[in-house]
Amino acid sequence: DTGVSQNPRHKITKRGQNVTFRCDPISEHNRLYWYRQTLGQGPEFLTYFQNEAQLEKSRLLSDRFSAERPKGSFSTLEIQRTEQGDSAMYLCASSLSAGGSAEAFFGQGTRLTVV
Amino acid sequence: QKEVEQDPGPLSVPEGAIVSLNCTYSNSAFQYFMWYRQYSRKGPELLMYTYSSGNKEDGRFTAQVDKSSKYISLFIRDSQPSDSATYLCAMSAFSNTGKLIFGQGTTLQVKP
Repeated sequence: DTGVSQNPRHKITKRGQNVTFRCDPISEHNRLYWYRQTLGQGPEFLTYFQNEAQLEKSRLLSDRFSAERPKGSFSTLEIQRTEQGDSAMYLCASSLSAGGSAEAFFGQGTRLTVV
Repeated sequence: QKEVEQDPGPLSVPEGAIVSLNCTYSNSAFQYFMWYRQYSRKGPELLMYTYSSGNKEDGRFTAQVDKSSKYISLFIRDSQPSDSATYLCAMSAFSNTGKLIFGQGTTLQVKP
């Protein structure tokens, strides 16, 4: 499978616990994005990497959230001290920077439930 | 007011109908426009990608962009039950970030 891969697909955690999600982008894509999607809404931008550099963060990304892309390949999104409001689908997408294209391809998402 | 407005529906049509899905936007800097299809509990799948104004056709799908009216459309011809999904419009101002602003999504049901 050469698409964007996200793990785990589902995560149930207790409030206050830390969780970490992983995203493996399409291999030749140098841009990687994280989005959050709640029920009945479109995805909302969280953060964006070009190679290993985190170039933009949304104000939605509170200080409990941190994302890394240490070698410019896979990325992790960590949420510390989870809250019930963090329950959502976390989507990763990747794209190429060459050619002026803005096409982004999404993974299947990680569905987080905080109980 | 949201930057991108999309009627959430639901929209129900009989099989074989022509479906029209629309989004309006307020940011005149948007120049890259996309339509994604999302099945329940899955990630969005890119259907159509358009730069600036004009039409683009791919099989049963046609995307239209009218930048003067800040209005984009997706038409689905000969709709099939397998087209039942949520359709998300997305747009971006700059290709060098790829940051997308999404509409709320329109839920479509195609009845056999």
